[in-house]
Amino acid sequence: AQRVTQPEKLLSVFKGAPVELKCNYSYSGSPELFWYVQYSRQRLQLLLRHISRESIKGFTADLNKGETSFHLKKPFAQEEDSAMYYCALSSRNQGGKLIFGQGTELSVKP
Amino acid sequence: DAGVTQSPTHLIKTRGQQVTLRCSPKSGHDTVSWYQQALGQGPQFIFQYYEEEERQRGNFPDRFSGHQFPNYSSELNVNALLLGDSALYLCASSSLGQVTDTQYFGPGTRLTVL
Repeated sequence: AQRVTQPEKLLSVFKGAPVELKCNYSYSGSPELFWYVQYSRQRLQLLLRHISRESIKGFTADLNKGETSFHLKKPFAQEEDSAMYYCALSSRNQGGKLIFGQGTELSVKP
Repeated sequence: DAGVTQSPTHLIKTRGQQVTLRCSPKSGHDTVSWYQQALGQGPQFIFQYYEEEERQRGNFPDRFSGHQFPNYSSELNVNALLLGDSALYLCASSSLGQVTDTQYFGPGTRLTVL
């Protein structure tokens, strides 16, 4: 079965600390992995996708096919990073529908 | 470009009623997907429309139906509403066939069923 698991509902860190939001997936095939972010009172928006290999707002994520993981990392958290983060997978074979994890709320304290 | 727009913003219905939610895709996009997001959960895929036809469907009952118009806008209809249908309904648009078919989300419609 296709599934995305985000084991932490809430992650609280202090400003300047490193952040790692975990994402594990199960999928038979070649999925595309995404991180979406939702800031307070804003719409869900794409943060990054694994095929682009970009660093957005200091965040990076590496697809580890062996461990079926796509963890999101940032070396120094900022208060403005506080938001809900959703990991999602998609596949062109599946027509591009997104399968989301339950989300992790990141709280960055001053 | 206003991006993906949805209407209404909020809606309150009672059990057994029917509801229609609307979505206008981002300019240049031809594909619309609908998601249901229950409180504290990630979005769940309902269905996707392309060329006015339902292209894919998630694990939702037939009470959930949709439509896509020639201008690519879309409607989501839910019949015989249940309390459990209370959720945020998200519309996302994309361009099928593009190499980077990123889905862009609207602000959502908050449906409350009493």
